[in-house]
Amino acid sequence: GQSLEQPSEVTAVEGAIVQINCTYQTSGFYGLSWYQQHDGGAPTFLSYNALDGLEETGRFSSFLSRSDSYGYLLLQELQMKDSASYFCAAPDSNYQLIWGAGTKLIIKP
Amino acid sequence: DTEVTQTPKHLVMGMTNKKSLKCEQHMGHRAMYWYKQKAKKPPELMFVYSYEKLSINESVPSRFSPECPNSSLLNLHLHALQPEDSALYLCASSQVAGNTQYFGPGTRLTVL
Repeated sequence: GQSLEQPSEVTAVEGAIVQINCTYQTSGFYGLSWYQQHDGGAPTFLSYNALDGLEETGRFSSFLSRSDSYGYLLLQELQMKDSASYFCAAPDSNYQLIWGAGTKLIIKP
Repeated sequence: DTEVTQTPKHLVMGMTNKKSLKCEQHMGHRAMYWYKQKAKKPPELMFVYSYEKLSINESVPSRFSPECPNSSLLNLHLHALQPEDSALYLCASSQVAGNTQYFGPGTRLTVL
């Protein structure tokens, strides 16, 4: 089977840095994506890693280690508007996304 | 234009009604998707249209039926739904299947 595991909830302070981890088990690997979803909203694409290493997009970065079947999303200079759920997702062999259960990020002032 | 549009935004229907959800994208994407999402859960794939071929999640009941009139439009026809079908229904598209997906704002469906 294929699965992605991530923590259910992470709490951080405004202005700080937070890391959300994702470990995956897939038959074949076709990249790891991250999506953000605010309450009542739709998922929004954040980042994609196909190869090992760090991808940076403004305050958000995503890291992948294929040998460890592991990735993380790093959010810097946290703002209250970053309070949301974050999902890691990976395509299966049919190129359909398998989703992690989501991590609720709570930011305190 | 990186927008996926969905109508309606909200829908309340009885169990005997027939309704349709509509989705449109103008990004030239060749794959479109319908997802169902319950509160505090990840999106759950229902249907994929990729290069005019339909793939179905076999757990989706037949009271949901997709229709793809052309490569930019994707409809979801609803008939004889149950209260447990109440959820957020999301449409998404991607350049090709498995690539980065762009989501519409969703339709919040309530079945009474």
